[in-house]
Amino acid sequence: SQQGEEDPQALSIQEGENATMNCSYKTSINNLQWYRQNSGRGLVHLILIRSNEREKHSGRLRVTLDTSKKSSSLLITASRAADTASYFCATDINDYKLSFGAGTTVTVRA
Amino acid sequence: EPEVTQTPSHQVTQMGQEVILRCVPISNHLYFYWYRQILGQKVEFLVSFYNNEISEKSEIFDDQFSVERPDGSNFTLKIRSTKLEDSAMYFCASLLTNEQFFGPGTRLTVL
Repeated sequence: SQQGEEDPQALSIQEGENATMNCSYKTSINNLQWYRQNSGRGLVHLILIRSNEREKHSGRLRVTLDTSKKSSSLLITASRAADTASYFCATDINDYKLSFGAGTTVTVRA
Repeated sequence: EPEVTQTPSHQVTQMGQEVILRCVPISNHLYFYWYRQILGQKVEFLVSFYNNEISEKSEIFDDQFSVERPDGSNFTLKIRSTKLEDSAMYFCASLLTNEQFFGPGTRLTVL
């Protein structure tokens, strides 16, 4: 079964608003990572949260992790047009591979 | 800032042909990976490589696929006889501790 399922599938917001997306997974993890992908481009690492952490911040990004619910959320505050991209969570079960979700496509309208 | 590089950025090939996708991981990294993303779908793990051997591979990584680290810098993915369904973006990644750094990808189109 797949790890890392995001919701919503798509999100459209006005510039300046916050964007929140969620990720659920099925098995125990070492850490959970969030990536951004601009259309047709590579994956950019945003943030990593370890299984013993509950919240982490990086600039306008805030990630939470609830291991009891096997879920994580990514909040982008004060969104900008440049934040338009697909966002993926990826779970690291061991050192050898990441399991990606289907992603949330975020569109920030000017 | 060090980065993973991949060549070519786009490869077009005929069905049945062999292709080699090349990656240069970050120099002090120890683990290497290939992933693929079929258009509009999830990024899927293909294979991981550590200490000059495959650590783990997915069901996708069948006998048509192979990986090699021919020297101290390159990491290659070979597809022996390409099929139409091999058309995808192929991403290389490398890791030192926890964070995997991804390359920009090679778009493979099989005609």
